[in-house]
Amino acid sequence: AQKVTQAQTEISVVEKEDVTLDCVYETRDTTYYLFWYKQPPSGELVFLIRRNSFDEQNEISGRYSWNFQKSTSSFNFTITASQVVDSAVYFCALQGDQTGANNLFFGTGTRLTVIP
Amino acid sequence: EPEVTQTPSHQVTQMGQEVILRCVPISNHLYFYWYRQILGQKVEFLVSFYNNEISEKSEIFDDQFSVERPDGSNFTLKIRSTKLEDSAMYFCASRSSRGAEGEQFFGPGTRLTVL
Repeated sequence: AQKVTQAQTEISVVEKEDVTLDCVYETRDTTYYLFWYKQPPSGELVFLIRRNSFDEQNEISGRYSWNFQKSTSSFNFTITASQVVDSAVYFCALQGDQTGANNLFFGTGTRLTVIP
Repeated sequence: EPEVTQTPSHQVTQMGQEVILRCVPISNHLYFYWYRQILGQKVEFLVSFYNNEISEKSEIFDDQFSVERPDGSNFTLKIRSTKLEDSAMYFCASRSSRGAEGEQFFGPGTRLTVL
């Protein structure tokens, strides 16, 4: 079974602080993909990153960075020097290779509020 | 850049009425999906569609729901007799390739409100 856990329901930080959003996943698939999506108040899902299970290199994109650790089944997301525009709900998701139609399994999301 | 579109952006309906939510996937994509997000909750998979038939569906996707690709471009989700608990944001997504490698592209969503 596929499962994604985002234990942090809500986080508040003051602008310019760094913040890390946690994601832990479970899957029996040997090949899988992990995703992060941002959902601003307007409601759409904004794709941030996709990482496959064979690539454990950390990735940095501007103020965003991702730490994938297969040993702990975690795919954490860090925002450096947070800004008010980062306020949103962030979802981690998992897509397996052998399971069904490769649909996405989402975590429950973390609501990030950046206080000016 | 190609994108998935959905209409309407917001639909308000009375309980018991039928609604059809429309999606236009990216033109060369082969796999289509509907997801649902009840307000304040996570995004949940409803159904996937490939080669003109349902390939997988969740337990949420009961007999009240149906999907169709009536022509070469549209992909629709029909709810036959809406209930209050069907109020949610509905996202359509499409993907080009087999396996988990192909990324799913999401539409902007349709917010359904059942009164």
